[in-house]
Amino acid sequence: GAVVSQHPSRVICKSGTSVKIECRSLDFQATTMFWYRQFPKQSLMLMATSNEGSKATYEQGVEKDKFLINHASLTLSTLTVTSAHPEDSSFYICSARGQDNTQYFGPGTRLTVL
Amino acid sequence: GQNIDQPTEMTATEGAIVQINCTYQTSGFNGLFWYQQHAGEAPTFLSYNVLDGLEEKGRFSSFLSRSKGYSYLLLKELQMKDSASYLCAVERPGGYALNFGKGTSLLVTP
Repeated sequence: GAVVSQHPSRVICKSGTSVKIECRSLDFQATTMFWYRQFPKQSLMLMATSNEGSKATYEQGVEKDKFLINHASLTLSTLTVTSAHPEDSSFYICSARGQDNTQYFGPGTRLTVL
Repeated sequence: GQNIDQPTEMTATEGAIVQINCTYQTSGFNGLFWYQQHAGEAPTFLSYNVLDGLEEKGRFSSFLSRSKGYSYLLLKELQMKDSASYLCAVERPGGYALNFGKGTSLLVTP
């Protein structure tokens, strides 16, 4: 199967700072990647669809100015949480659709905002 | 709208068989995934159903009925390591994003 990596795996930051999370498809090209968020004991919620070379598509209720997505190449998408606050603390997971039509998930990034 | 339902929790005995059901009512349907997720980790792929019927892969099988909006994941010869959350996800047409159910937490006991 395809491999998707994420970096960092864990980050702790102060309230008001910005945090960038990288998502890479390691052995395949992905024109579309997805960003999900998962709060404790809840399921994954889609935040946005990241499209290579164009603007991301955000789900209803997700602030596009707060969660900046850049998909500059066919193997890299970044999510920047701007001016993070404690309520943004969550598990952020990216995924990419492989050539076998399966969505492969990265290992996730646990964000803790103090 | 999107509505995907799964039981919240299930318990089964090591060596037994367990069936986890998922019903969905979605505005669009492109396929249905089952993922396994251990606490604090990302989901790992188990199965993908597009057409009606049963897909078998080792100890895991998945069934889909599109007309009934119903799927199940069947786990055979349960092992302790199968204790995890099992997520049912419907793939949206066009964009291929996934809508997830809330997950079923399976506990396998000795």
